[in-house]
Amino acid sequence: NAGVMQNPRHLVRRRGQEARLRCSPMKGHSHVYWYRQLPEEGLKFMVYLQKENIIDESGMPKERFSAEFPKEGPSILRIQQVVRGDSAAYFCASSPLAGGAEQFFGPGTRLTVL
Amino acid sequence: DQQVKQNSPSLSVQEGRISILNCDYTNSMFDYFLWYKKYPAEGPTFLISISSIKDKNEDGRFTVFLNKSAKHLSLHIVPSQPGDSAVYFCAASVTSGAGSYQLTFGKGTKLSVIP
Repeated sequence: NAGVMQNPRHLVRRRGQEARLRCSPMKGHSHVYWYRQLPEEGLKFMVYLQKENIIDESGMPKERFSAEFPKEGPSILRIQQVVRGDSAAYFCASSPLAGGAEQFFGPGTRLTVL
Repeated sequence: DQQVKQNSPSLSVQEGRISILNCDYTNSMFDYFLWYKKYPAEGPTFLISISSIKDKNEDGRFTVFLNKSAKHLSLHIVPSQPGDSAVYFCAASVTSGAGSYQLTFGKGTKLSVIP
């Protein structure tokens, strides 16, 4: 009965490198959400995906950020050419239904950009 | 433009007493509200939720009250225990239509329960 899994838990990158964050939803959940938490802030919605589909990426920065949820394997949040402002905690959540359902969160990936 | 506000960054309560955490929202389209608890270096853990068709929902020591006319909800924890010490986030969503899957979070209230 594993919960939402995220890896790595901590990721350090230098400016200009790429960061890849992985998320495996709870068993039976086909809806995945990514949120970002900056220091002293609440979580902010980034993107919502179902298998092989991006449903809404309205919270994603326009450049450098992308997400996917392939038919097989985990969901990936990719940040290209990272900058210091990308340093944050990135949380993945999953739910069995869309809309009106509780979302269950993973432990997060803490990205530090040097 | 913060649509969900938790105006108290922190709250201290004696063990055994009631903890009351407050949350205000501005978007009248929100119709589903949730409370999450978060420990440092962990993800948020779902606590309790309430639909806008209700004004109260209870689960053990946790009760959430919703006042739609005031756009206000609160989480009551009775009795408070030291293990309840954490950051509590209020979140809201719209259950139909565009954006019905996004949770909008407040900034959180850090609860400290003093033994």
